[in-house]
Amino acid sequence: KQEVTQIPAALSVPEGENLVLNCSFTDSAIYNLQWFRQDPGKGLTSLLLIQSSQREQTSGRLNASLDKSSGRSTLYIAASQPGDSATYLCAVSNRNDYKLSFGAGTTVTVRA
Amino acid sequence: DTAVSQTPKYLVTQMGNDKSIKCEQNLGHDTMYWYKQDSKKFLKIMFSYNNKELIINETVPNRFSPKSPDKAHLNLHINSLELGDSAVYFCASSHQKGLASHVGQFFGPGTRLTVL
Repeated sequence: KQEVTQIPAALSVPEGENLVLNCSFTDSAIYNLQWFRQDPGKGLTSLLLIQSSQREQTSGRLNASLDKSSGRSTLYIAASQPGDSATYLCAVSNRNDYKLSFGAGTTVTVRA
Repeated sequence: DTAVSQTPKYLVTQMGNDKSIKCEQNLGHDTMYWYKQDSKKFLKIMFSYNNKELIINETVPNRFSPKSPDKAHLNLHINSLELGDSAVYFCASSHQKGLASHVGQFFGPGTRLTVL
């Protein structure tokens, strides 16, 4: 059974600082890994998707890396802004059944 | 707008009632999902349908019955609601299950169900 862990559970930083969010998973037989953002009381917005054959994806200030063999992914957010405050969820799609297994999320607060 | 939409957004009901949540996607996807997010914010897959066919059915009480009239719709009917059913239910969609989409799964805004 795939288990996804996100560390830290919460993070508070001053504006401008870079953010590093960690995700680990127990079964390396994944199809892809997806990072989502969830604002309070809102749905999920997909940020980045990394296929199992890729090592990283970038979108603007966001960069996500994937080390499938060690079961880890890291989301970097450069030059954080108060608008980046949200919960960030990591999810892996299993190769055998393609369903997404989610981590519990990292709640980020960027202080102005 | 192309999106995954859910109705209603909020649902407050009494224990023992039967309720339905509707989901529609106009993204042309083949696969749709229902997830439950509990009070601890953990998201768990409940069901998945591909072209109206059930492909994932997690250990969910049989009071929960998904119905897919066509590949653009996946509704969730819940019988005899219990207090523990209170949660946010998210619908999602993606391209073909086997390909699992090169752009991942798209999520609806969620339905917050409160059982009193």
